[in-house]
Amino acid sequence: EPEVTQTPSHQVTQMGQEVILRCVPISNHLYFYWYRQILGQKVEFLVSFYNNEISEKSEIFDDQFSVERPDGSNFTLKIRSTKLEDSAMYFCASSASSGRALGETQYFGPGTRLLVL
Amino acid sequence: AQKVTQAQTEISVVEKEDVTLDCVYETRDTTYYLFWYKQPPSGELVFLIRRNSFDEQNEISGRYSWNFQKSTSSFNFTITASQVVDSAVYFCALSEEYGNKLVFGAGTILRVKS
Repeated sequence: EPEVTQTPSHQVTQMGQEVILRCVPISNHLYFYWYRQILGQKVEFLVSFYNNEISEKSEIFDDQFSVERPDGSNFTLKIRSTKLEDSAMYFCASSASSGRALGETQYFGPGTRLLVL
Repeated sequence: AQKVTQAQTEISVVEKEDVTLDCVYETRDTTYYLFWYKQPPSGELVFLIRRNSFDEQNEISGRYSWNFQKSTSSFNFTITASQVVDSAVYFCALSEEYGNKLVFGAGTILRVKS
């Protein structure tokens, strides 16, 4: 069964460093997402991406964050200068749909646990 | 604005008991979609069910069943004859018609003891 994969599973970084989290969405999916979950809290939407551009982003997704689809399979989240409060589990998700993603099911990867020291 | 409330922070049951997880949502849209996801101790998010706002039929899948009631804006999830492997955090989520982000509830921790 196709699945979303994410690398690395864990990342430890120093405050102020740049990190890139990588995701390989399900191959025939067209919408891609990033969410984060601070330890013990709810899952929060960061950004959605379709047709090589951001379709929606949350207030959390400020100028420190960027997303990219550098090739036909990878989808990345970059945090330019990490802060202590960026420590969280970051989930990538993807959904099918060739147009407006009308409530399509989003399938999540296993997550990357980011720890900023 | 959309909002999902899972008022039960944590529930503990003994194996074979039935358990219902509550979910109440708020939205101004007439078309919307509701989801349940399971997060086991390993941390991944596992999709369980999707429902659109026009389909109020209850659904049963094995030991799982879902009760969608638009009149009370609720989408509750029942596990029948719970098992230890059901221990996880369960999230209810909502997406509206125009927009594709999921808004999650705070989650309910379910502990099933043997």
